[in-house]
Amino acid sequence: GNSVTQMEGPVTLSEEAFLTINCTYTATGYPSLFWYVQYPGEGLQLLLKATKADDKGSNKGFEATYRKETTSFHLEKGSVQVSDSAVYFCALRNQGAQKLVFGQGTRLTINP
Amino acid sequence: EPEVTQTPSHQVTQMGQEVILRCVPISNHLYFYWYRQILGQKVEFLVSFYNNEISEKSEIFDDQFSVERPDGSNFTLKIRSTKLEDSAMYFCASSEAGTGGTSPLHFGNGTRLTVT
Repeated sequence: GNSVTQMEGPVTLSEEAFLTINCTYTATGYPSLFWYVQYPGEGLQLLLKATKADDKGSNKGFEATYRKETTSFHLEKGSVQVSDSAVYFCALRNQGAQKLVFGQGTRLTINP
Repeated sequence: EPEVTQTPSHQVTQMGQEVILRCVPISNHLYFYWYRQILGQKVEFLVSFYNNEISEKSEIFDDQFSVERPDGSNFTLKIRSTKLEDSAMYFCASSEAGTGGTSPLHFGNGTRLTVT
């Protein structure tokens, strides 16, 4: 079946630190991969996506590269800000499928 | 930018009562979904809906749940007899059609359901 495993949280960093949140997946086909972000009290917002191997998704300084050989889609940012504090969800959508399968989420807190 | 809207933002109900959660998906989207998130836990798939019928549902989506698209714009989730464990944030989402699974789901801000 399809599943997504994320790095355990919570993660606490200082402002301007480098961020990595690990995500690995298991899929029966050729999925598209997504990162969603949930700010406090809000819904899920699409952060970035990649639809095929070696694609890099990027947005707001965040990046993630679709690595088929390691079945990974790690989220990175070079210099985090306090406003990046949120819960980050990795997700996959298998080719031709409708539903999105989420990882368990990683809570990120950035201290000034 | 068009968005998915959900009402109400917060619903409190007593155990055993029926609730209807409402959603207006993005207008040119053809796939609709309900997800839920129990406090502090994973976002779980409930059901997907396409062409006026359920296309997939999870084990969670038992006979107590139903979905409907009563008109051209609304998409509703009904829980017939709520239980305490139905307390969660319920997210509606929609996506475009015909993209082979590459298009993202667009989510609403959710309805927090509290069953007392």
